[in-house]
Amino acid sequence: DAGITQSPRHKVTETGTPVTLRCHQTENHRYMYWYRQDPGHGLRLIHYSYGVKDTDKGEVSDGYSVSRSKTEDFLLTLESATSSQTSVYFCAISESERTGELFFGEGSRLTVL
Amino acid sequence: EDKVVQSPLSLVVHEGDTVTLNCSYEVTNFRSLLWYKQEKKAPTFLFMLTSSGIEKKSGRLSSILDKKELSSILNITATQTGDSAIYLCAGLMNTGFQKLVFGTGTRLLVSP
Repeated sequence: DAGITQSPRHKVTETGTPVTLRCHQTENHRYMYWYRQDPGHGLRLIHYSYGVKDTDKGEVSDGYSVSRSKTEDFLLTLESATSSQTSVYFCAISESERTGELFFGEGSRLTVL
Repeated sequence: EDKVVQSPLSLVVHEGDTVTLNCSYEVTNFRSLLWYKQEKKAPTFLFMLTSSGIEKKSGRLSSILDKKELSSILNITATQTGDSAIYLCAGLMNTGFQKLVFGTGTRLLVSP
């Protein structure tokens, strides 16, 4: 199994508070992604990274920011959490952007009250 | 708008049955179609299909792509309870950064 760990795995927070989710990989893969999964929507890309300090927006990036200061770590930050950001967040990694084969972390369930 | 639609949404079968899951796609600059299996947590990669009409197999699972019909099927023969999962289909775009468009999945339950 690809070495990807997400933390925290579960978090409950209140509207308006900042939240940071961490993704750590031990595979030295160049590409890292943050997805959210919601009923009726499937997995949707929030942000992705194609190298250290190189990031770009996905289809649902509003209200989220990311940072990648090291190859192994990709942080997702909700500056001011809203109830609509209650979701399960998955980090994924890939060696190449050309294959579509992603290795996913176990997910982080975030509840915003 | 790019979209991937899967059917049925959910399915209950008995162990030993054969099932067929469907995926249709409308994806800009389509490159490939991927299938993932999601049990309790992380989705895991099953297949990537790029060429039409060529079946890919892995044990009891097989899949084929029909680019003319913009669709794919995933077959599971002699189902086992361990096949119970959500099966996700995704279209891979070939536009700058290659992006995946996921369907909402088919939830399969295999009863003993």
